[in-house]
Amino acid sequence: QSALTQPASVSGSPGQSITISCTGSSSVIGDSSLVSWYQQYPGKAPTLMIYGNINRPSGVSLRFSGFKSGNTASLTISGLQAEDEAVYYCCSFGVNIDVIFGGGTKLTVL
Amino acid sequence: VQLVQSEPEVKKPGASVKVSCKTSGYRFSTYPINWVRQAPGQGLQWMGRIRVSHTMTKSSQRLQGRVTMTVDTSTTTAYMELRNLSSDDTAVYYCVKSRGVTGDSFDYWGQGTLVTVTS
Repeated sequence: QSALTQPASVSGSPGQSITISCTGSSSVIGDSSLVSWYQQYPGKAPTLMIYGNINRPSGVSLRFSGFKSGNTASLTISGLQAEDEAVYYCCSFGVNIDVIFGGGTKLTVL
Repeated sequence: VQLVQSEPEVKKPGASVKVSCKTSGYRFSTYPINWVRQAPGQGLQWMGRIRVSHTMTKSSQRLQGRVTMTVDTSTTTAYMELRNLSSDDTAVYYCVKSRGVTGDSFDYWGQGTLVTVTS
């Protein structure tokens, strides 16, 4: 199946905002697809940060927000903190297709 | 909610591996259990899921025919068996609980089980 494309890396200074994009074909991330985002520290299991395109699980900072339009989803982290440095994965849940993960984006806080 | 997986495994090419995932803290029959793997230094790959209530499974196209997912509701434990292993199957394998009944995201992850395939 087609891939979900994320930038390999992004960076920002403390206090700044960054946005990570996640793009694919309409068959992978179409109108009916639901996108979630995961944060992963080295050697640890991923953690759910956004589900259903825009929703934050309880306990996740308000600094994290999700958006989806057409075939592109995005994760924005505002007020960057050192603890945000991690790898972020998008994931698309579609109808009658496999669950697809993006390749991951390494966030560096400068 | 906790998902506790079995210990690391070392297997030879062509062998099979079975990973267990003991769950607790939620109604086991309500939410699907998924399996996700991560090769060393690589990204996440969804392997498949099992709907516990009626044990219906869906495997990724890439692994269809080699992976079997089962559950034991009496012990609230999920299992994933992968057959005909090759070096490409060396990875950390995670069991993951779906957030909702329909499974639109993954809210709780096991600690991961490293499976190493080597001759």
